[in-house]
Amino acid sequence: GEDVEQSLFLSVREGDSSVINCTYTDSSSTYLYWYKQEPGAGLQLLTYIFSNMDMKQDQRLTVLLNKKDKHLSLRIADTQTGDSAIYFCAGLTGYALNFGKGTSLLVTP
Amino acid sequence: DTGVSQNPRHKITKRGQNVTFRCDPISEHNRLYWYRQTLGQGPEFLTYFQNEAQLEKSRLLSDRFSAERPKGSFSTLEIQRTEQGDSAMYLCASSGWGRQGSDTKNIQYFGAGTRLSVL
Repeated sequence: GEDVEQSLFLSVREGDSSVINCTYTDSSSTYLYWYKQEPGAGLQLLTYIFSNMDMKQDQRLTVLLNKKDKHLSLRIADTQTGDSAIYFCAGLTGYALNFGKGTSLLVTP
Repeated sequence: DTGVSQNPRHKITKRGQNVTFRCDPISEHNRLYWYRQTLGQGPEFLTYFQNEAQLEKSRLLSDRFSAERPKGSFSTLEIQRTEQGDSAMYLCASSGWGRQGSDTKNIQYFGAGTRLSVL
């Protein structure tokens, strides 16, 4: 959606860290999410962060939220080839998730 | 818990035909959502049910679209007089009861989707 923007493509080498960025315009979003989508599949929830937090870590995943700049990032440590997919940032407004267009992550050996 | 189940996975139809998709949410979830995803885009919200009540509909949901959740469990999405522009992936999601202080109701889990191709 036009309210959530992501860079379209990212390429990293296996073992490196990946950082996927997202900016959003709706400051009323109470929760922000990262979903992963593999080809032809549905969306897999990776992690989420409540809007009054600024960081959340979950194993290889670290989410940073800068509420002032309306900027959200997802860092994947030790990126593996199985991490290659499209990553969607989304904000919750009311009942609906408002998604970006997705960042296609390619992990090369 | 088998997750959100959607059927069929793929549907090919001719323009003008009616199609119906089914979504079975996670069993203890009372909230159900439909989204549409076109190629190269993120999913877009269509509609939301809490139990059997349809509480929110997007302006994307034209008169040719109707969604039901008659007993508050599974849901159906029907498209009448399909058009080529209806070709998309239709995704269903569900979320759970929200105890006070719980995030559960705000976490939407998605099914694998139904891919519709209108020829």
